[in-house]
Amino acid sequence: QVQLVQSGAEVKKPGASVKVSCKASGYTFTSYDINWVRQATGQGLEWMGWMNPNSGNTGYAQKFQGRVTMTRNTSISTAYMELSSLRSEDTAVYYCARGRKGDYWGQGTLVTVSS
Amino acid sequence: EIVMTQSPATLSVSPGERATLSCRASQSVSSNLAWYQQKPGQAPRLLIYGASTRATGIPARFSGSGSGTEFTLTISSLQSEDFAVYYCQQYNNWPQWTFGQGTKVEIK
Repeated sequence: QVQLVQSGAEVKKPGASVKVSCKASGYTFTSYDINWVRQATGQGLEWMGWMNPNSGNTGYAQKFQGRVTMTRNTSISTAYMELSSLRSEDTAVYYCARGRKGDYWGQGTLVTVSS
Repeated sequence: EIVMTQSPATLSVSPGERATLSCRASQSVSSNLAWYQQKPGQAPRLLIYGASTRATGIPARFSGSGSGTEFTLTISSLQSEDFAVYYCQQYNNWPQWTFGQGTKVEIK
């Protein structure tokens, strides 16, 4: 069955970077785009960007331009999202989601930014 | 940027009753509209895509309608497991997603 399994929770200091992984299984990794979405506690869903695992092409929400990088390793069917220059407002649960329709989601990764 | 506006923010409904949730786009998104359900501590779950097509395994009590700028999610007879937050999302200008702010369906 299709699964997206994300890496574990992270605690980072302001100014640091975090890299979250999303390992796909149950389907051909390069056949579906991967989206990244985040959600601060008690808040709504915020789209961060997209990556095509086949080509490596990416597109980022303007809010995150210059701070986010999405990459992949096709040999292990894993997508990555790296966010730099972290600040307290980046404390959130980060999700990966498959494809244009978002039909499968990872379980989420809590990133806490605190001094 | 397309702005998605959901109403109401909170909907109080008794079990067994019908719930009607609305979503409006600031410009036409054709039928490129999805609905998600999210329960506390869980990832969002896709309910509807293409404005009206139920995703795999979604019960028939969930239905979506609309096109262009006005959309509706209807839950025909609310079950206990349906109390959650619901988000609409447009993907008309893919690759970009925009979400509404969510509607919380709570027990009356």
